[in-house]
Amino acid sequence: RKEVEQDPGPFNVPEGATVAFNCTYSNSASQSFFWYRQDCRKEPKLLMSVYSSGNEDGRFTAQLNRASQYISLLIRDSKLSDSATYLCVVNTNAGKSTFGDGTTLTVKP
Amino acid sequence: NAGVTQTPKFQVLKTGQSMTLQCAQDMNHEYMSWYRQDPGMGLRLIHYSVGAGITDQGEVPNGYNVSRSTTEDFPLRLLSAAPSQTSVYFCASSYSTRLNTEAFFGQGTRLTVV
Repeated sequence: RKEVEQDPGPFNVPEGATVAFNCTYSNSASQSFFWYRQDCRKEPKLLMSVYSSGNEDGRFTAQLNRASQYISLLIRDSKLSDSATYLCVVNTNAGKSTFGDGTTLTVKP
Repeated sequence: NAGVTQTPKFQVLKTGQSMTLQCAQDMNHEYMSWYRQDPGMGLRLIHYSVGAGITDQGEVPNGYNVSRSTTEDFPLRLLSAAPSQTSVYFCASSYSTRLNTEAFFGQGTRLTVV
């Protein structure tokens, strides 16, 4: 079993749709959690950190459930520019980052 | 701001050749790491370093060596290239992984081993 597992996708949605991605992690020692965005053939870039209380940044909302070892990302009012691969990332306190395989989102007109 | 600089951007090697992928950051970050990304997959950790003089293995270290003689530089050496090492390699740095700090990535090195 992989340490970090994401919805396999791909997700194809119309503009304006709401879409949610899920991620589970197996290492209970995990300390910090992130969503990164990766555009085709480019380097990953931080979308948002994920906090226990949940956090929101504009149209994006991230949630963390430590008991269930589960992270989610909700995108509201999808834009064409949201088309990308979304990577779930989990860090341990020992300095190790583990990436999920990513979920690809295509937003269509 | 340079951020994380990787060189080269593209490289073709013959099986058995060795080479070093360079990575430098100018943000005085403690933590640096190397990943490989194969098609349709996430990033897999090769080696990482939590500070100058300290390195450790990640998920897929075989066939690769690293060293961290300075805070700024973290080169990745391929000892004897194999076709299975054809991949995109990303170097990343962050201030710390003990806090919710952002990792900054280089633009990647696309390596083909023939």
